[in-house]
Amino acid sequence: DTGVSQDPRHKITKRGQNVTFRCDPISEHNRLYWYRQTLGQGPEFLTYFQNEAQLEKSRLLSDRFSAERPKGSFSTLEIQRTEQGDSAMYLCASSQTKGLLQNTEAFFGQGTRLTVV
Amino acid sequence: AQTVTQSQPEMSVQEAETVTLSCTYDTSESNYYLFWYKQPPSRQMILVIRQEAYKQQNATENRFSVNFQKAAKSFSLKISDSQLGDTAMYFCAFRFRALSGSARQLTFGSGTQLTVLP
Repeated sequence: DTGVSQDPRHKITKRGQNVTFRCDPISEHNRLYWYRQTLGQGPEFLTYFQNEAQLEKSRLLSDRFSAERPKGSFSTLEIQRTEQGDSAMYLCASSQTKGLLQNTEAFFGQGTRLTVV
Repeated sequence: AQTVTQSQPEMSVQEAETVTLSCTYDTSESNYYLFWYKQPPSRQMILVIRQEAYKQQNATENRFSVNFQKAAKSFSLKISDSQLGDTAMYFCAFRFRALSGSARQLTFGSGTQLTVLP
């Protein structure tokens, strides 16, 4: 399967614990995005990487959220000291830039559903 | 900042019939893309159709077509000959046609749950 892969698919954690999610993009895609989707809402942009550089992180919800893409391939999203309000689906997407203004469509993974109890 | 509004939280349609999902958006930009994404239950979001704002011709992909009204900032999706597999949440989304280095993230509406009835 050459699509976007996310792991784990489901995570249940106790409030206050740290969690980390992984995303493996489509191999030739240089852009990687993280979104959060709460029940009944559309995905909300969090951050993105071009290769290994995190070029936009102002939309991360708080300083408890951080993301990395150390070698420009897979990415991790970490949430420290989880709160019940962090319960949501966390989606990863990837795309490939083609020239100055062109971009392929974004391909999404199946998401990681986080439940904080 | 741009916003995307989907005013129909739920819709249903009989199999083989046609249904139209509505979307409006607000932006001060002139160069952008609009998309419809489909999210089936417990499955990943997939692109249904894409429209470049600079193109006047409405995009079409098999049974899916759009009615893009740029002046009205309206972007509706028409599904013809509805099939049971079309049952899903449908999201309208906006993205700037921006220069390299810009985020180019998608801004989504809140979605419309479409149910195709047998």
